[in-house]
Amino acid sequence: AQSVTQPDIHITVSEGASLELRCNYSYGATPYLFWYVQSPGQGLQLLLKYFSGDTLVQGIKGFEAEFKRSQSSFNLRKPSVHWSDAAEYFCAVGSTSGTYKYIFGTGTRLKVLA
Amino acid sequence: GAVVSQHPSWVICKSGTSVKIECRSLDFQATTMFWYRQFPKQSLMLMATSNEGSKATYEQGVEKDKFLINHASLTLSTLTVTSAHPEDSSFYICSAPPRAEAFFGQGTRLTVV
Repeated sequence: AQSVTQPDIHITVSEGASLELRCNYSYGATPYLFWYVQSPGQGLQLLLKYFSGDTLVQGIKGFEAEFKRSQSSFNLRKPSVHWSDAAEYFCAVGSTSGTYKYIFGTGTRLKVLA
Repeated sequence: GAVVSQHPSWVICKSGTSVKIECRSLDFQATTMFWYRQFPKQSLMLMATSNEGSKATYEQGVEKDKFLINHASLTLSTLTVTSAHPEDSSFYICSAPPRAEAFFGQGTRLTVV
């Protein structure tokens, strides 16, 4: 079955520290991969995406993610976290069959300590 | 860039009434749109696929008679929560994929009292 796992429900980091949010997926082939951020009560903002090509993708707000096919992972990283990064982060996989349905992970809530 | 607009952003309704949520693609045509539901502190779950000019496709466990979806034009899909009850209170969000990358509406916070 297709699924997305974000093992960490909550993560707390100090401002200025590095960050890595984990995402593993189960899919029949290499899917389209996305990371979204959601602030409380808000919609989703796309941070970055992977369709093909270079496995290290750069996104907005200083985020990057690396696709590792052998590990079925697409972890999100940021070298130095800012207090404004506190939010909920969702990893998602998108169908490559043309239906464009998304399956979301359960999300990781990031708390940033001043 | 592609924009999806969702309206209203929030709504409070009485139990037993119906609520309509609109999802518009502003600068592209969308033959397919998706509706997701997000309960507090949970992930987004796909409810249904809205298909322009044909019936919506509902995910398992979603009541099609309760969540009516109409996709009458290439830029508008509506979700109507009929006879709403407090357990329908949730965050509803739509998406439209002009291509593999879907764009999401701002979401609608529904509170049924």
